Amino acid sequence: QSVLTQPPSASGTPGRTVTLSCSGSNSNIGTNYVDWYQQLPGTAPKLLIYKTGQRPSGVPDRFSGFKSGTSASLAISGLRSEDEADYYCAAWDDSLSAWVFGGGTKLTVL
Amino acid sequence: QVTLRESGPALVKTTQTLTLTCTFSGFSFNTGEMCVNWIRQPPGKALEWLARIDWDDDKYYTASLKTRLSISMDASKNQVVLTLSNMNPVDTATYYCARALGHCRRGFDLWGPGTLVTVSS
Repeated sequence: QSVLTQPPSASGTPGRTVTLSCSGSNSNIGTNYVDWYQQLPGTAPKLLIYKTGQRPSGVPDRFSGFKSGTSASLAISGLRSEDEADYYCAAWDDSLSAWVFGGGTKLTVL
Repeated sequence: QVTLRESGPALVKTTQTLTLTCTFSGFSFNTGEMCVNWIRQPPGKALEWLARIDWDDDKYYTASLKTRLSISMDASKNQVVLTLSNMNPVDTATYYCARALGHCRRGFDLWGPGTLVTVSS
């Protein structure tokens, strides 16, 4: 059971926008930054968003992150087939003094 | 070139202690007040954070494994070592090391390719 809650699956059609959710609590998302990772099959995760809404160099601006209260979201606009992957949210938890991950969302591009 | 790479045994037996080494190049522990983390992923399952060591040698562990985990660094070798004692089959996973900069607040921006560890009974 993951500390952060993500829906196990999501889907969207090419060119459209899909939003992935991540729910936590006051001790993690409520008070700390949220990071998002993309994991393609058989590869290590890749940082997509850090500090809730910042994109590392090289990550397209089709990816955007935001949060409200104890929930965070990752929006992917202009959906492409290569976006089909697993997506994980993560945050530092002050109560646990630990990083916590969500259970991941498998995104299917129809 | 900035890289991380995990190394260690691919197969361990139940009750043995696993020792994994994360060797990095192209940066040092003094880079951007960084931390190095270990994260694992059982086959077909989610990511699980295990441990973190900071540039100033502060250490953090996941509560569920705290009594079995140990993390240390050798700055002269650019290495971080993780040990996990009393291994059992549920510890079978791909183990990753990952870096975060900026007081460990800028996300895990650099990952190793991962190393699959299988525990046999």
